[in-house]
Amino acid sequence: QQQVKQSPQSLIVQKGGISIINCAYENTAFDYFPWYQQFPGKGPALLIAIRPDVSEKKEGRFTISFNKSAKQFSLHIMDSQPGDSATYFCAATSGNTPLVFGKGTRLSVIA
Amino acid sequence: DTEVTQTPKHLVMGMTNKKSLKCEQHMGHRAMYWYKQKAKKPPELMFVYSYEKLSINESVPSRFSPECPNSSLLNLHLHALQPEDSALYLCASSQDLRGGRNEQFFGPGTRLTVL
Repeated sequence: QQQVKQSPQSLIVQKGGISIINCAYENTAFDYFPWYQQFPGKGPALLIAIRPDVSEKKEGRFTISFNKSAKQFSLHIMDSQPGDSATYFCAATSGNTPLVFGKGTRLSVIA
Repeated sequence: DTEVTQTPKHLVMGMTNKKSLKCEQHMGHRAMYWYKQKAKKPPELMFVYSYEKLSINESVPSRFSPECPNSSLLNLHLHALQPEDSALYLCASSQDLRGGRNEQFFGPGTRLTVL
């Protein structure tokens, strides 16, 4: 019940296209859902996060969509650029429990 | 300052060596974390400190010994490591552990190689 299932494992998108990464969870106590972006050899960087009181949050080209009833949330990257090529991790937590990470999605944006 | 710093960037050590990893933050955060990350895997939680006290130890072998000397510093002491301990070691911090204040910021990591 503590798992966060992330898909796809890898994704190739054309420059200018939309990248979509999905996550699903079981624990209804989770109340904070961040996305992290990680480049090779670097630490994860907090990209965007959402709490379950809203269904969507947008920051620039990055949007989180949240479906509480389906226990799913997704990251959309609009106008994907080669510089977006990285590994993306979704995560979830509740109260004072540790972050539970998805297994990651390796995104490659090709020109 | 919204940065978590880690030193050293890279570390190569033998199985009999003793070394330490250092993490520092000046955001006034009261929760600090150590993670281990293997290639192509998500970060794996090792330890959590809350208000300088060890809050969570995820059954980590005793050859890893954490220390939190003050609210800004977190150390990880390493002794008698095994080659399978080679990984990227990440430090993170958050305001504290409570819901609404647990947004975690990660450092760049220390790439550890055990020979």
